[in-house]
Amino acid sequence: QLQLQESGPGLVKPSETLSLTCTVSGGSISSSSYFWGWIRQPPGKGLEWIGSIYYSGNTYYNPPLKSRVTISIDTSKNQFSVKLSSVTAADTAVYYCARQGEYCSSNNCPGNFQPWGQGTLVTVSS
Amino acid sequence: QAVLTQPSSLSASPGASASLTCTLRSGIKVGTDSIYWYQQKPGSPPQYLLRYKSDSDKQQASGVPSRFSGSKDDSANAAILLISGLQSEDEADYYCLIWHSSAWVFGGGTTLTVL
Repeated sequence: QLQLQESGPGLVKPSETLSLTCTVSGGSISSSSYFWGWIRQPPGKGLEWIGSIYYSGNTYYNPPLKSRVTISIDTSKNQFSVKLSSVTAADTAVYYCARQGEYCSSNNCPGNFQPWGQGTLVTVSS
Repeated sequence: QAVLTQPSSLSASPGASASLTCTLRSGIKVGTDSIYWYQQKPGSPPQYLLRYKSDSDKQQASGVPSRFSGSKDDSANAAILLISGLQSEDEADYYCLIWHSSAWVFGGGTTLTVL
């Protein structure tokens, strides 16, 4: 059974860079059938897609965040990561990682994100 | 105006049916693409329910009961998640999702109360 687990600091200072890693177990992150995505949810609010990555390293990002986001993948560790720079209090959220789609190609993937990690709360505060 | 608009809340009785709407912004045609639906219970990550593009092009996530179904209302330019035979366990937040302007966009979510 595929499982995803987010890890990283729960507190980040304003203007610094938020860094999180998602460890995948029970399956290979190198599968050509899926993308791997990051989604966040501010406390008490809705979901926002951050971006997704293919095993080959191909990425696509949510345009409003694109200038601050980098998603990378380490197939040797079965992990993928997100970095968000110049954070502010508005970036305080629960950050989720999820497997995306099935029968994906490197530039096309459906929006069925499943399964998801349990999420990790990141608070931006001094 | 948001890309996807969902009513913030909806209440329905056990055993009844609930129609959760997801209205697309003017200029975005609901008939064009797939709409994805997610359920989120308090303290848990979202769970993928289903994808709906048309009656001949749809997908039910594994393990999701058939009483969850999707449809579209072209006249209202809206996607609909229909939940029949409501149960207390269906009480949750529900989000729709589409691909628009090179991004995955979620609706604001509807809180469904079963009482």
